[in-house]
Amino acid sequence: SQTIHQWPATLVQPVGSPLSLECTVEGTSNPNLYWYRQAAGRGLQLLFYSVGIGQISSEVPQNLSASRPQDRQFILSSKKLLLSDSGFYLCAWSRASGNTIYFGEGSWLTVV
Amino acid sequence: GIQVEQSPPDLILQEGANSTLRCNFSDSVNNLQWFHQNPWGQLINLFYIPSGTKQNGRLSATTVATERYSLLYISSSQTTDSGVYFCAVNAGNMLTFGGGTRLMVKP
Repeated sequence: SQTIHQWPATLVQPVGSPLSLECTVEGTSNPNLYWYRQAAGRGLQLLFYSVGIGQISSEVPQNLSASRPQDRQFILSSKKLLLSDSGFYLCAWSRASGNTIYFGEGSWLTVV
Repeated sequence: GIQVEQSPPDLILQEGANSTLRCNFSDSVNNLQWFHQNPWGQLINLFYIPSGTKQNGRLSATTVATERYSLLYISSSQTTDSGVYFCAVNAGNMLTFGGGTRLMVKP
C-alpha cells in the first residue's frame, strides 16, 4: 500500500532562519506531489505541485521554494523565514491529475 | 479560478442528530473530494465523488455535477465526528478547497 510521510512534525524557527520540510511517498512511482499551507485553521492553499522530477509549478509567489530531487521526494524550503510563514504545511500525492489526493500528517511551523 | 463555497461555516450538533453540509462550486470539475480534518490536523479522505451518490457507514455524499454542488450527510452524529469538513474540487492539476465547515458534536 502507499504511504506518505513528512517531517518534522513541529518546528519553531526564528525570523530570518532557513526552512526545510521533507516529504516522501512509498509504494508508488511517478506520483504527482503537492505542498499546501493552512493558516488560521481554515482553507488550504496550494503552494507548489510537481508532476515529475525537477518539474515544479508555483501557484503563489512568496519566499518559499520547492524541489523534487527524486521521484518520491518533495522538499519545501525557504532561505529566510518571515512571521507570516507560520502555519500548517501539508504534503500530498495523487497518481495523476484529477485522481484522489492523499495527505501526509502535516508540519506545524511557528516563526518567532 | 474556480470558486468553492461551503455552508454552513460552523455547526453545533447534539450527539445523535443528523446534518447536511453543502459545497457549491463555480465551474465544471472532473473531481470532487470530501475530507475530514481531525483535531490533530490530519486530513482524512471521506469520499471521491465527482458525480452520483456514495455511502460509507453513517456518512453519505451526493454530487450533482450539472448543478455544481455536492452534499455530505452525517447521520446519528458522534463526538468523534467533530472537526472541520472540507470539500475540494479539481479542474486540471490544481485541487481547490472550500473554506470548510467546522462541526462540533456535543455529548
